[in-house]
Amino acid sequence: QKEVEQDPGPLSVPEGAIVSLNCTYSNSAFQYFMWYRQYSRKGPELLMYTYSSGNKEDGRFTAQVDKSSKYISLFIRDSQPSDSATYLCAMIGTGGYNKLIFGAGTRLAVHP
Amino acid sequence: EAGVTQFPSHSVIEKGQTVTLRCDPISGHDNLYWYRRVMGKEIKFLLHFVKESKQDESGMPNNRFLAERTGGTYSTLKVQPAELEDSGVYFCASSQDRGSYGYTFGSGTRLTVV
Repeated sequence: QKEVEQDPGPLSVPEGAIVSLNCTYSNSAFQYFMWYRQYSRKGPELLMYTYSSGNKEDGRFTAQVDKSSKYISLFIRDSQPSDSATYLCAMIGTGGYNKLIFGAGTRLAVHP
Repeated sequence: EAGVTQFPSHSVIEKGQTVTLRCDPISGHDNLYWYRRVMGKEIKFLLHFVKESKQDESGMPNNRFLAERTGGTYSTLKVQPAELEDSGVYFCASSQDRGSYGYTFGSGTRLTVV
């Protein structure tokens, strides 16, 4: 079983839609949760990070962590064609060294 | 500031040959990481340097892979001899400290072994 499960999509939505991206995980030691965005032929770019459970908002993006359910989400409001990319969740456990454990990534296409 | 730079951006080599990938981290970043994504799989950790020391190399697949970071600046990842299953995208990332909020990735080197 993978430590982090993420539906690879693809997910296609119209411009202006609310997008919901999700990951589940199995390791209860994970403490830090991140969302990266990756455009084609580029490296992952950090979008959001949260520590432990709760919500965090940054502009059109909201990250949620529910540690009791081992479930994290990223919501994108008023989606734009420029949001079309692959979104990767990533996690870090305790114990130092900050090794990221990635989900498979969800491909998102926002069409005008 | 300049980002994390990787080169070459793309390399095609024959099975059995040697390839060396290079990563220049952001200046002043002590932590340097190598990750890779093989076809259809998740991005996976390879190893972590703190300055010139290997902090964690638990993700290195086998002894055909050798990473170095002499002087604690740029790093190289050598694959010798390359096998078909080594094909994928190799990412380098760096961070200033062991901050838990993620790090800056380079654009990756796409390695194709034929």
